[in-house]
Amino acid sequence: GAVVSQHPSRVICKSGTSVKIECRSLDFQATTMFWYRQFPKQSLMLMATSNEGSKATYEQGVEKDKFLINHASLTLSTLTVTSAHPEDSSFYICSASVRDRPYEKLFFGSGTQLSVL
Amino acid sequence: EDQVTQSPEALRLQEGESSSLNCSYTVSGLRGLFWYRQDPGKGPEFLFTLYSAGEEKEKERLKATLTKKESFLHITAPKPEDSATYLCAVLYSGAGSYQLTFGKGTKLSVIP
Repeated sequence: GAVVSQHPSRVICKSGTSVKIECRSLDFQATTMFWYRQFPKQSLMLMATSNEGSKATYEQGVEKDKFLINHASLTLSTLTVTSAHPEDSSFYICSASVRDRPYEKLFFGSGTQLSVL
Repeated sequence: EDQVTQSPEALRLQEGESSSLNCSYTVSGLRGLFWYRQDPGKGPEFLFTLYSAGEEKEKERLKATLTKKESFLHITAPKPEDSATYLCAVLYSGAGSYQLTFGKGTKLSVIP
């Protein structure tokens, strides 16, 4: 099956610093990428949807200036958590799909555990 | 109110003890229901997609079924390697676009 590579898998940073997470589709062109956040024992919560070459669409309650998403190519999307604070500590997961049927079969990255001290 | 509810929250089975996980949903305009497996510290791994009531899918020891209100993931003679959290997600049309909502998952532990 299709492979989505996400890294880093784990990052620990100081409060106030910015962290960039990369999500790459390795063997297909991902026209749509999704970014999720997951707290322990909770559902995956969609943060934003991005289509290659256009601005990301953020879900209600997600600060677009804090969570910067760039989808500059068909194989790469990045999520930058700016001025991270302890409450941003969470498990972040990306997923990728093709445009025609964006939800048909989502391919997920392995996730990034962010810990902000 | 949760639109996708999974039960039980956690399930412990002896190896070989068959059981079922439940995913109930309250959305209208269902376009598809997905089952995923998630191992600790990993992203979800796709298992099945079901599109209409009465549909069934099978893969090894897993069988997924769908009705108009819920889906079941049946696990036959589970093995310890089946231990994971199983997530279901519902795709539905709403507000002029598609919405995909995940349940909180069922954590399955299979004891040797």
